Amino acid sequence: GQQLNQSPQSMFIQEGEDVSMNCTSSSIFNTWLWYKQDPGEGPVLLIALYKAGELTSNGRLTAQFGITRKDSFLNISASIPSDVGIYFCAGSHYGGSQGNLIFGKGTKLSVKP
Amino acid sequence: SQTIHQWPATLVQPVGSPLSLECTVEGTSNPNLYWYRQAAGRGLQLLFYSVGIGQISSEVPQNLSASRPQDRQFILSSKKLLLSDSGFYLCAWRKTGTGGYGYTFGSGTRLTVV
Repeated sequence: GQQLNQSPQSMFIQEGEDVSMNCTSSSIFNTWLWYKQDPGEGPVLLIALYKAGELTSNGRLTAQFGITRKDSFLNISASIPSDVGIYFCAGSHYGGSQGNLIFGKGTKLSVKP
Repeated sequence: SQTIHQWPATLVQPVGSPLSLECTVEGTSNPNLYWYRQAAGRGLQLLFYSVGIGQISSEVPQNLSASRPQDRQFILSSKKLLLSDSGFYLCAWRKTGTGGYGYTFGSGTRLTVV
């Protein structure tokens, strides 16, 4: 089935650093979503993007819907320890509630030892 | 407001025993419902989804089954658990119609088969 390529798979962060991750697809999406999962919890929606080129912020998080509609990125500025967790991108080929979301395999953020 | 409840939070079951995990949604009607499994620190694997009462779609052939006996209730079951069924099980719902984009996840059930 359809796959989303999410990278990097994992990364270490030091407090204060900026973090960037992205997702790419071989086909066009109409919706891109970014989730964060804390250890032992379910993923929580961070940002939803609905239009190509859209740039949306949520506090220190910024996400963009790529112009080609085949990619999206998430940036975290000035990271803090509570940013650790797994970040998932998700996309939908459809508008509204049609079809199922397709998830990337996640980017695991850990604190640099 | 809408809420999703998933229980139990943790479960340790012997191999060969049955399984029943329950998920209920409140504050909405006719939601789409989903069961996902997540191996330790890994991605989300869609197991089942349902667009209505009694309507179940299976994404992966396996030792599990799902049922939706009521509009806002989704149950994941197994007759005989295998070691490979261990994992973190997540239920999610999605609003249907206008505005129904993202999924809202429950807090998960950690299943360990011993």
